[in-house]
Amino acid sequence: GQQLNQSPQSMFIQEGEDVSMNCTSSSIFNTWLWYKQDPGEGPVLLIALYKAGELTSNGRLTAQFGITRKDSFLNISASIPSDVGIYFCAGLNRDDKIIFGKGTRLHILP
Amino acid sequence: DAGVTQSPTHLIKTRGQQVTLRCSPKSGHDTVSWYQQALGQGPQFIFQYYEEEERQRGNFPDRFSGHQFPNYSSELNVNALLLGDSALYLCASSYGTGIDTQYFGPGTRLTVL
Repeated sequence: GQQLNQSPQSMFIQEGEDVSMNCTSSSIFNTWLWYKQDPGEGPVLLIALYKAGELTSNGRLTAQFGITRKDSFLNISASIPSDVGIYFCAGLNRDDKIIFGKGTRLHILP
Repeated sequence: DAGVTQSPTHLIKTRGQQVTLRCSPKSGHDTVSWYQQALGQGPQFIFQYYEEEERQRGNFPDRFSGHQFPNYSSELNVNALLLGDSALYLCASSYGTGIDTQYFGPGTRLTVL
């Protein structure tokens, strides 16, 4: 079946650093979504991307829909402690079914 | 305004048993989707209910079934539980069937012994 490969699996960074993570697939997706999940909670939508090449920002977060439609990137600038959590990418395929990646775990060192 | 609520929070069952999980959507939402999230994994789509009908289904066996009530709340039923069914079960609601506008609940943690 279709899979999304998310990398890195985990990141350890200093507060104030910028963060980059990505999601790739061998399949084409029509929509890319980025979520954040905190412990004991469900995922929360951060950014939705609908067109190839689209670049969208939400505060310190910026995401891009790859022009091949097979990848997406999420950047977080000037990280703060509340950015800690698990970030998931998800894609909607041609059948409008959603596929999630396995997540990138973000840790911020004191 | 309450968000998506799920009950129970935690549940322990034994192999072969049956379980029912419940979800109340966010106020104003009419569509409910269910996901299974195994430990260390991303959520996997089980199915979506709209207008009391199963509209879309992921790659899950028939042991997984659901229902949506006229007030838009929903139940997820799993029969003949297997150890591998242990997971966090997430419910998400939206207005209309657009997956990109859904809000997730906190989930029900199911442990099968």
